[in-house]
Amino acid sequence: GDSVTQMEGPVTLSEEAFLTINCTYTATGYPSLFWYVQYPGEGLQLLLKATKADDKGSNKGFEATYRKETTSFHLEKGSVQVSDSAVYFCALSDRGGSYIPTFGRGTSLIVHP
Amino acid sequence: EAQVTQNPRYLITVTGKKLTVTCSQNMNHEYMSWYRQDPGLGLRQIYYSMNVEVTDKGDVPEGYKVSRKEKRNFPLILESPSPNQTSLYFCASSFRGPTSGNEKLFFGSGTQLSVL
Repeated sequence: GDSVTQMEGPVTLSEEAFLTINCTYTATGYPSLFWYVQYPGEGLQLLLKATKADDKGSNKGFEATYRKETTSFHLEKGSVQVSDSAVYFCALSDRGGSYIPTFGRGTSLIVHP
Repeated sequence: EAQVTQNPRYLITVTGKKLTVTCSQNMNHEYMSWYRQDPGLGLRQIYYSMNVEVTDKGDVPEGYKVSRKEKRNFPLILESPSPNQTSLYFCASSFRGPTSGNEKLFFGSGTQLSVL
């Protein structure tokens, strides 16, 4: 079945540091890939998405590129801010298969001033 | 404002006492779903609904019931709650559902349930 694997957290960075959160996936069909962000005390909200190989999703300075050859969708940001502190979830939807989106376990990011 | 509304935000109950968590969306979405979020396990889907009167099990449906009598509402029912159902619950919706491939999910703010 489909699965998403994210790096363990928490990731702790200083403000203005470079961020990478790794995400790899397995899927039987043709997945679309997503990053969701969960700020403290809130529900998840979509951060960015990519629907086919080599697509790059971007939003709020975050980027992720759909790499079919390495089955990866790593999240990056060049300069993090304290306000980026949150939990980040990688997810996939398989257009050829399940009605159940698959989420990773989440990676907590803590950014210090 | 487009939103998914869950109630209550916090709920403490005792084992065996039936409870309902409500979920409502105002975006005319066809697809609605319930998730539970537990430390170290991430989000796991409980039930989903593709449209009115159409519901199906997710990954962890045991101990839960749902109904979809109207398009906007999708309540989660725990007939006889147990302590292992203590968790953070999220309702989510999207226009047509994940098989369209790029459907964005809209989430509610969550319900923290404690079963004593």
